[in-house]
Amino acid sequence: EAGVAQSPRYKIIEKRQSVAFWCNPISGHATLYWYQQILGQGPKLLIQFQNNGVVDDSQLPKDRFSAERLKGVDSTLKIQPAKLEDSAVYLCASSLALVGQGYGYTFGSGTRLTVV
Amino acid sequence: AQKVTQAQTEISVVEKEDVTLDCVYETRDTTYYLFWYKQPPSGELVFLIRRNSFDEQNEISGRYSWNFQKSTSSFNFTITASQVVDSAVYFCALSESVIQGAQKLVFGQGTRLTINP
Repeated sequence: EAGVAQSPRYKIIEKRQSVAFWCNPISGHATLYWYQQILGQGPKLLIQFQNNGVVDDSQLPKDRFSAERLKGVDSTLKIQPAKLEDSAVYLCASSLALVGQGYGYTFGSGTRLTVV
Repeated sequence: AQKVTQAQTEISVVEKEDVTLDCVYETRDTTYYLFWYKQPPSGELVFLIRRNSFDEQNEISGRYSWNFQKSTSSFNFTITASQVVDSAVYFCALSESVIQGAQKLVFGQGTRLTINP
């Protein structure tokens, strides 16, 4: 099966500019996650979707970050305006959403964002 | 709240040595899942293993083995006869159920493992 697709692979922007990342999960995976991984740290969950609804966005900096998954399939994460501390790898993951089943999570290759 | 602690930030060993990566977790759930991922320099997260909270049997896969102990909330990972290709950052992660039937995956801070020739 095809994996989780993310684009772009790399992005360099100046602070205060805006940027958008795209993710297409594995077909049939109802749950989609966006993680932020700052250099030297573990991935941190930003937002979790179940189909097109938000399950958890408690760690999303909502003053500058937004995400949507309008049709319950692919998703876009936007940062506007970007700050230097947003430099990180943004990882998208998807999983089947069956309670108690613990299906694995499949990660995309990530988008490496550098804010200068 | 879920929490995963990997106390070892960096480990460096000589090739062929055995090495153990520690992982301690906190959760309120009785049903949860534990994972280990490998992140090589290329950056992708590579799935290594998933264990559920009801299965405390140790598991061995080639040179890799995992020791799950609920009594101490630990899920440690051992590499036997390490090789240079094992050099990577290793993450322990915990998944538990959240609202709306979904599961949430929380990562530890990772352990950078360097195998020297």
